[in-house]
Amino acid sequence: SAVISQKPSRDICQRGTSLTIQCQVDSQVTMMFWYRQQPGQSLTLIATANQGSEATYESGFVIDKFPISRPNLTFSTLTVSNMSPEDSSIYLCSVGGRAGTPPDTQYFGPGTRLTVL
Amino acid sequence: AQSVTQLDSQVPVFEEAPVELRCNYSSSVSVYLFWYVQYPNQGLQLLLKYLSGSTLVKGINGFEAEFNKSQTSFHLRKPSVHISDTAEYFCAVTLNQGGKLIFGQGTELSVKP
Repeated sequence: SAVISQKPSRDICQRGTSLTIQCQVDSQVTMMFWYRQQPGQSLTLIATANQGSEATYESGFVIDKFPISRPNLTFSTLTVSNMSPEDSSIYLCSVGGRAGTPPDTQYFGPGTRLTVL
Repeated sequence: AQSVTQLDSQVPVFEEAPVELRCNYSSSVSVYLFWYVQYPNQGLQLLLKYLSGSTLVKGINGFEAEFNKSQTSFHLRKPSVHISDTAEYFCAVTLNQGGKLIFGQGTELSVKP
């Protein structure tokens, strides 16, 4: 499986500000995803990060609030914009499939624990 | 639409006892099934997966799961648990290999000495 890192690991932010979370993989992968895990809850997919094109968002998530970049096959960023306390969650990136092989499994990064005051 | 139900939100068990964490899914088409574990303050780690073939799947840390298509279940089992197995366990399904994962609500396994 790929080695996945996320930065920052945790942050405490003021409402109205924005935070950009980075996800770095040690090898090229086909798929990259961003999930949210609200306190005491399960994981919900925010969007699929597409290399070289706009991300594909799930119902209830919009680009203005969660802009995503994926400039290459090993890196992606998620920005949480104009934050409110309701955005306090763990944000996780996941990856699937080394480039050139069918992606059958997703592997997750360690997560970014965000607290908004 | 697909959905996943984990029937138990919390499972307390004594060390060295067997455990079963239940997972049922709803789908009109074939799915791929996964179990992930989340230790406190960590990300998700893949325990095991069912893509095709044998319905009994063995994973890491002594866990196994059995895919039952007629009962639409994918229950996770371990014959003897350790304190270190204390964690949150998530069942997940996807329609497409490498596609969107739909997660259950999670089961908190608490192993007591």
